Amino acid sequence: KNQVEQSPQSLIILEGKNCTLQCNYTVSPFSNLRWYKQDTGRGPVSLTIMTFSENTKSNGRYTATLDADTKQSSLHITASQLSDSASYICVVSRRSNDYKLSFGAGTTVTVRA
Amino acid sequence: EAQVTQNPRYLITVTGKKLTVTCSQNMNHEYMSWYRQDPGLGLRQIYYSMNVEVTDKGDVPEGYKVSRKEKRNFPLILESPSPNQTSLYFCASRQKADRSYEQYFGPGTRLTVT
Repeated sequence: KNQVEQSPQSLIILEGKNCTLQCNYTVSPFSNLRWYKQDTGRGPVSLTIMTFSENTKSNGRYTATLDADTKQSSLHITASQLSDSASYICVVSRRSNDYKLSFGAGTTVTVRA
Repeated sequence: EAQVTQNPRYLITVTGKKLTVTCSQNMNHEYMSWYRQDPGLGLRQIYYSMNVEVTDKGDVPEGYKVSRKEKRNFPLILESPSPNQTSLYFCASRQKADRSYEQYFGPGTRLTVT
């Protein structure tokens, strides 16, 4: 079972509207959580990174929140633009010596004019 | 420009024909890794390298080989490709193995094995 679950799998929103993506994880002990944006046919690009002590982080119109107690994170996109159409991937790392990252399957966002 | 490059970007091959996908980074990063991405699944790690001449298996290493003879290069080798290796492959690097460092991804290589 994947240790990082994202929802919804996909969503369609109108340009200018807001949306929120969810990430639930079971990775433990927790080290940090990242949100990546992956445009079609491109590699993922980092949007935000949060450690245990941070519960919100913004990058322009993207705002990520983290509740380490409930093991949940969200990514909020404000005033969506056509260029926000992409897959958004939640990535969690565990405080351990295996150097691995746990990836969610991603949420595909389509912004329509 | 700091970047991770992969070649080729697209490749169609036949079962059993050996191939190599190259990966190069110009950021002097110690840690490099290969992932495959399949529909509905998260990125899965194939192999990783902590530094020159130090490599180890990831979660899905079967059917793949890697080498790290130089710090900047980390090629992925498929000795005898099979159709179940049809996938989108990403190379990534970060300054050090510690996961607090930012990880940078290449543009991807779409491989089709017929």
